Amino acid sequence: NAGVTQTPKFQVLKTGQSMTLQCAQDMNHNSMYWYRQDPGMGLRLIYYSASEGTTDKGEVPNGYNVSRLNKREFSLRLESAAPSQTSVYFCASVMAGENYGYTFGSGTRLTVV
Amino acid sequence: LAKTTQPISMDSYEGQEVNITCSHNNIATNDYITWYQQFPSQGPRFIIQGYKTKVTNEVASLFIPADRKSSTLSLPRVSLSDTAVYYCLVGDGNTGKLIFGQGTTLQVKP
Repeated sequence: NAGVTQTPKFQVLKTGQSMTLQCAQDMNHNSMYWYRQDPGMGLRLIYYSASEGTTDKGEVPNGYNVSRLNKREFSLRLESAAPSQTSVYFCASVMAGENYGYTFGSGTRLTVV
Repeated sequence: LAKTTQPISMDSYEGQEVNITCSHNNIATNDYITWYQQFPSQGPRFIIQGYKTKVTNEVASLFIPADRKSSTLSLPRVSLSDTAVYYCLVGDGNTGKLIFGQGTTLQVKP
């Protein structure tokens, strides 16, 4: 099925560990995004990639890095995880220039202990 | 980016029409208005998008007055399965970057 695929679905890290969250879309969308959602809160934009080869900071980029590997894939890396990064992470994509809604992945639930 | 303001929560009963209003006083000329629905443990799902006047699809209607400083999402005859968080967003279709607010938690009661 077409859509946005995120891996892993769940992850527990110890403080200071690193990991990469993977996201891939098969809709030929230009733009991809990483959001985090804390309990009872709305989504906050971490980083986005308006097109292949470009990345930009969102509202809360500190502690994260991203890579737009190709048009399909956009990864989010935590170099040194902290408990404050415990959250649900959502990846989304959209065809830039077309005013259709984003397609979101099912999320990665990350716990940092 | 234009900020939006919407009620934190709303209650309704099955079969009623629900209207959720969103304020976006600083909307820019290029901005579209988009509404999303989010169920617990799921990513947001696109509901409807509009620029001006009225848009209707199989799920909802979106009413946008001429000054575009607010919009109203209308859900006809809600059911228990419409219990969710509803987000109103405004953004530039060219850059695609959208900022989410806290959303409106709709609780539909039997």
